[in-house]
Amino acid sequence: EDQVTQSPEALRLQEGESSSLNCSYTVSGLRGLFWYRQDPGKGPEFLFTLYSAGEEKEKERLKATLTKKESFLHITAPKPEDSATYLCAVNTGGFKTIFGAGTRLFVKA
Amino acid sequence: ETGVTQSPTHLIKTRGQQVTLRCSSQSGHNTVSWYQQALGQGPQFIFQYYREEENGRGNFPPRFSGLQFPNYSSELNVNALELDDSALYLCASSLADTGGVAETQYFGPGTRLLVL
Repeated sequence: EDQVTQSPEALRLQEGESSSLNCSYTVSGLRGLFWYRQDPGKGPEFLFTLYSAGEEKEKERLKATLTKKESFLHITAPKPEDSATYLCAVNTGGFKTIFGAGTRLFVKA
Repeated sequence: ETGVTQSPTHLIKTRGQQVTLRCSSQSGHNTVSWYQQALGQGPQFIFQYYREEENGRGNFPPRFSGLQFPNYSSELNVNALELDDSALYLCASSLADTGGVAETQYFGPGTRLLVL
């Protein structure tokens, strides 16, 4: 069965303390991996799409990387406004997109 | 903002009632997907519509049904509401890619449904 697992469930950082969020997947065939940011009570906001192992994308303090089994979302020198839930999703073809449960990130000033 | 809108923002219903949620896709998009997100969980795929036809369905019972209109707006209908249907319902629009590459989905703000 296709599965997407995110770790840790929650992460508490001090402002400026860099870290990484993990998304591991076991799927029959990867067509795309997506990262979203979700604030409480709101819809997910698109961050990145990755299609093949070795691919990397960056946006401000965030950098997403992809291997054959997992993806990392690296956060460099986070600020309190980076506090949110980060969701990873995998598409295995057509309509089949599976989301992980998310990592809740708290950044303290 | 994505350009995907949903209405209403919040809704309270009682068990057994029926509800209709609405979504307006981002301009230029031809595919809409609906997700259910329980508190503390990731979104769960309900179904997808492409060119007004159901294109795929997740593990949800038939009392969850949908429509997509010629202008690509969409509805999610839920009959015989149960307490466990309380959740955030998300609509996501995308532009279907025939080249086999997974298209990026853009989400609306969601509708918070509470079933009492």
